[in-house]
Amino acid sequence: SQKIEQNSEALNIQEGKTATLTCNYTNYSPAYLQWYRQDPGRGPVFLLLIRENEKEKRKERLKVTFDTTLKQSLFHITASQPADSATYLCALGGAPSSGSARQLTFGSGTQLTVLP
Amino acid sequence: DTEVTQTPKHLVMGMTNKKSLKCEQHMGHRAMYWYKQKAKKPPELMFVYSYEKLSINESVPSRFSPECPNSSLLNLHLHALQPEDSALYLCASSLGGQETQYFGPGTRLLVL
Repeated sequence: SQKIEQNSEALNIQEGKTATLTCNYTNYSPAYLQWYRQDPGRGPVFLLLIRENEKEKRKERLKVTFDTTLKQSLFHITASQPADSATYLCALGGAPSSGSARQLTFGSGTQLTVLP
Repeated sequence: DTEVTQTPKHLVMGMTNKKSLKCEQHMGHRAMYWYKQKAKKPPELMFVYSYEKLSINESVPSRFSPECPNSSLLNLHLHALQPEDSALYLCASSLGGQETQYFGPGTRLLVL
């Protein structure tokens, strides 16, 4: 069966350091992978998308890598700040299932805490 | 308008009640989704509407009944729920052919 694992439930780092979160998957051939941020009691917010034929994507302090051979994505936040504290979810998507709808499957998330 | 709104924010209901959750977006998105999220778990897909037609039903019990009256609105009708149905219910939408989903803030549901 398909499985998506994020490296740890919780990750604590010091402010200013780089946070690295891992997403591994098995029995899946995603067309793309996304990272979302979720704050307590709120809906996920889209951060970055990377396609199967891309190795790396950047947006401001965020960087995502995607290795389809290793079946792994790494999500980096450089110069981390306490405001970056949240749960980060990876999500895998395939081809459209019907019409324009695209189905996402989420990993269990990593709760990041950036300590001042 | 670049947001998905959901009402109510919180809902407490008994097992014999009938209630509805509402979701609205005015971004012109043609796909809308319902997810259920339990504490410290990822969102789980329940239903997908594409161009106002139900395209995916992830084996959800019939006590949950979705409805898409038009391209901007999505409802989830609840009837005879169980305490284990207590969760955060999230609505999302996406533009036709695009993969990014935009989520609403969710409705926190408690079934007593």
